[in-house]
Amino acid sequence: EDQVTQSPEALRLQEGESSSLNCSYTVSGLRGLFWYRQDPGKGPEFLFTLYSAGEEKEKERLKATLTKKESFLHITAPKPEDSATYLCAVQAGYGSNYQLIWGAGTKLIIKP
Amino acid sequence: DTGVSQDPRHKITKRGQNVTFRCDPISEHNRLYWYRQTLGQGPEFLTYFQNEAQLEKSRLLSDRFSAERPKGSFSTLEIQRTEQGDSAMYLCASSAGQGGSNQPQHFGDGTRLSIL
Repeated sequence: EDQVTQSPEALRLQEGESSSLNCSYTVSGLRGLFWYRQDPGKGPEFLFTLYSAGEEKEKERLKATLTKKESFLHITAPKPEDSATYLCAVQAGYGSNYQLIWGAGTKLIIKP
Repeated sequence: DTGVSQDPRHKITKRGQNVTFRCDPISEHNRLYWYRQTLGQGPEFLTYFQNEAQLEKSRLLSDRFSAERPKGSFSTLEIQRTEQGDSAMYLCASSAGQGGSNQPQHFGDGTRLSIL
């Protein structure tokens, strides 16, 4: 069964304290792995797509990496405005179904 | 920037009533998705349209749920005879793409449904 697991469930950091969020997946062929940010009461906001092992993407203080079993979202010198829930999703590589299979997210809190 | 728009943002209704939500996707996007999200969980897939054709429905979607996308533009999601367990955030997303391409999905801010 296709599955996505994110860890930790919650992470509290001081402003400027770098860390990483993990997304482990099992899927029948990977079309893509997606990272989203979600603020309370809002829909998920797209951050990155990764397509193959070894690929990396960066945006401001965020960097996403991908292996054959997991992805990491590295946050460098975070600021309070980086506080949000970070969601990981995979798109399986079969049929005409483009649905995303989601993890439960990591709630990130950055304290000033 | 015209992103995905959902209406209403909030809906409170009594158990047993019918509700309908609307989603206006990004205009050039041919794919449209509905998801449901409960507190502390990631979104859960409900159904998917490519243009006006509904190509996939979740096995979890009961026959009280129906979705349409007439003319391949906006979409509606109707829930009949609502139950307490239907309380959730209903999210709509859209993406561009042809064939096997996997462009990212862009989400609206959802409709929060509360069943009294």
